Amino acid sequence: NAGVTQTPKFQVLKTGQSMTLQCAQDMNHEYMSWYRQDPGMGLRLIHYSVGAGITDQGEVPNGYNVSRSTTEDFPLRLLSAAPSQTSVYFCASSHRGGEQFFGPGTRLTVL
Amino acid sequence: GESVGLHLPTLSVQEGDNSIINCAYSNSASDYFIWYKQESGKGPQFIIDIRSNMDKRQGQRVTVLLNKTVKHLSLQIAATQPGDSAVYFCAETSYTGANSKLTFGKGITLSVRP
Repeated sequence: NAGVTQTPKFQVLKTGQSMTLQCAQDMNHEYMSWYRQDPGMGLRLIHYSVGAGITDQGEVPNGYNVSRSTTEDFPLRLLSAAPSQTSVYFCASSHRGGEQFFGPGTRLTVL
Repeated sequence: GESVGLHLPTLSVQEGDNSIINCAYSNSASDYFIWYKQESGKGPQFIIDIRSNMDKRQGQRVTVLLNKTVKHLSLQIAATQPGDSAVYFCAETSYTGANSKLTFGKGITLSVRP
């Protein structure tokens, strides 16, 4: 199993550009989540999904959209990138009540 | 608002000594707690978890203690090794709910001196 994969690993955007961060898991996990991690801080939940077709907002959802059309994929869309969205983004997945597995992260810089 | 926090930002220990990392939480509804280890440039890695019906759980060289009375969680690492150097996060959620909704503490850096 590849586990949780994220692409790209690094990305630089200009203010106002849009992009999609990809996340995929091959463990048939029901739950998937997106977090952002800023320097000196813990991870903060952006959006999460408890199954295909179901998504909900986390702690810091503004400026981000998600969809869950399949169990395996959970892309995160930045609609109009802002410098405040410069961060490291982690995707995670788990079975209900189980351990969360994290991907390697995407390092995003918005100029 | 409710939050999970750590008492100290950094911890330096001698190789071979035991390490204790502490965490306070304030959400009384939380009933599931997890410790994660994050090495530089990598995603968080699960270490050990504990549910609120327990006060102690042991793994390989690690022990988690939960004190619900004072809302305190600790991670003990026995015989700390250089490979234990990392940032450690505590996280909490409601086990019966969506465990995707983890609330993380800010993290503490563990540095192991040779």
